[in-house]
Amino acid sequence: SQQGEEDPQALSIQEGENATMNCSYKTSINNLQWYRQNSGRGLVHLILIRSNEREKHSGRLRVTLDTSKKSSSLLITASRAADTASYFCATEPGANNLFFGTGTRLTVIP
Amino acid sequence: KAGVTQTPRYLIKTRGQQVTLSCSPISGHRSVSWYQQTPGQGLQFLFEYFSETQRNKGNFPGRFSGRQFSNSRSEMNVSTLELGDSALYLCASSLFLSSSYEQYFGPGTRLTVT
Repeated sequence: SQQGEEDPQALSIQEGENATMNCSYKTSINNLQWYRQNSGRGLVHLILIRSNEREKHSGRLRVTLDTSKKSSSLLITASRAADTASYFCATEPGANNLFFGTGTRLTVIP
Repeated sequence: KAGVTQTPRYLIKTRGQQVTLSCSPISGHRSVSWYQQTPGQGLQFLFEYFSETQRNKGNFPGRFSGRQFSNSRSEMNVSTLELGDSALYLCASSLFLSSSYEQYFGPGTRLTVT
């Protein structure tokens, strides 16, 4: 499968703490995207990082990409209860398809 | 700008029936992709349409088909429904091909097959 794998599958933290989730993939990619999904709803795009980029920031989000290890991480700083959601990475291996990972379920406890 | 809309939001069908789901992309977006989401298989790519042409197709049987109209609106059809087709079907639009641009997702159509 070309799907990415997120780790951990589930994460529970206290409000104000940082949350880190990881994504590993199998083939070389042109870019990697992160999405958030609130329970049973559509996905929301968070950030896109291209294969020639190593780090990208957007507000409280920080994404890193290590193409040599075929992995990416998403860091959410100073988490809020509203950050409770599932987070997915999506990779584009050059076939013009997007392959979504299995997701990390984040719970932020107020 | 209005977001991606999907109709209907909920649908209950019986095995053997067929179903058509509709998706209206964000104005100006030319690419529409469809995904199936289930607890067991996660998010799986069905197909992508760009300027009325199917550009990519996922690994789904021929019972799953789609089309895109000149106004970029898209429909997907599932014939001879099976219990395993019960899922959340998500539509997403993007300016150009989805792989290089962020996608905007609709709220999904929850299909239940009994």
